[in-house]
Amino acid sequence: AQRVTQPEKLLSVFKGAPVELKCNYSYSGSPELFWYVQYSRQRLQLLLRHISRESIKGFTADLNKGETSFHLKKPFAQEEDSAMYYCALSRNFNKFYFGSGTKLNVKP
Amino acid sequence: EAQVTQNPRYLITVTGKKLTVTCSQNMNHEYMSWYRQDPGLGLRQIYYSMNVEVTDKGDVPEGYKVSRKEKRNFPLILESPSPNQTSLYFCASSPRASGNNEQFFGPGTRLTVL
Repeated sequence: AQRVTQPEKLLSVFKGAPVELKCNYSYSGSPELFWYVQYSRQRLQLLLRHISRESIKGFTADLNKGETSFHLKKPFAQEEDSAMYYCALSRNFNKFYFGSGTKLNVKP
Repeated sequence: EAQVTQNPRYLITVTGKKLTVTCSQNMNHEYMSWYRQDPGLGLRQIYYSMNVEVTDKGDVPEGYKVSRKEKRNFPLILESPSPNQTSLYFCASSPRASGNNEQFFGPGTRLTVL
C-alpha cells in the first residue's frame, strides 16, 4: 500500500536556523513526490516537486530512493515560512497520497 | 481570476439528508479531485476525474458519489450523509498537460453532519 509518513506534527525553530521537515514514503514503483504548503488563511498550494529539481523560497527536497525519503530543507528559516507543510505522493499521476502534515513555527 | 471555487463554504446538515458540494474551475483543467481532511490524517483522496465522463475512486470513496458532465464542474454528492462524514473537504484541479501535475486547490468546505 502506498503511504506517506510525516513523523513530526509540529516543528519549532528560531529565525535563521536550519529547517528539515521529514517525509518518508512506501511505494512499489517510481513515485512522483511533492511538497504542498498552506499558509495561514490561504489555500493549499504547491511548493515544489521532485521531478523539477527546483528550489522554491529557499527550500529544496531530495528524493532518496534507498531511504524512501523526500525531506524538505531550508538552510535559514524565515518567520514567513511558518505554515502547514504536506508531503504528497502521486501514483500514475492520478491517485494522490498525502502525509498528515507538519506545522512549522519559526520564532523571531 | 484563475481559480477553483467551492460551494457552500460551510454546511451543517442532519443524517440522511442528501447534499451536494459543488466545485468549479475556470482554467480548462482536465483533472479534478476531491479530498477530505481530518485531524491527524492529512488529506485523503475521495474521487478523481481525468476528464469529462471519466471518474475513479480514490482512497476513501465509500459514502460519496461524483459526476463529471462538464469539464469545469465536479460536484461531490453525499446521498445519505452520516456523522463520520463530518470533515473539511477540498476540491482540486490540475492541467496534467506536458507532465504538469500541480494541483490547484479550492478554499475548502466545512461540513458538519449531526
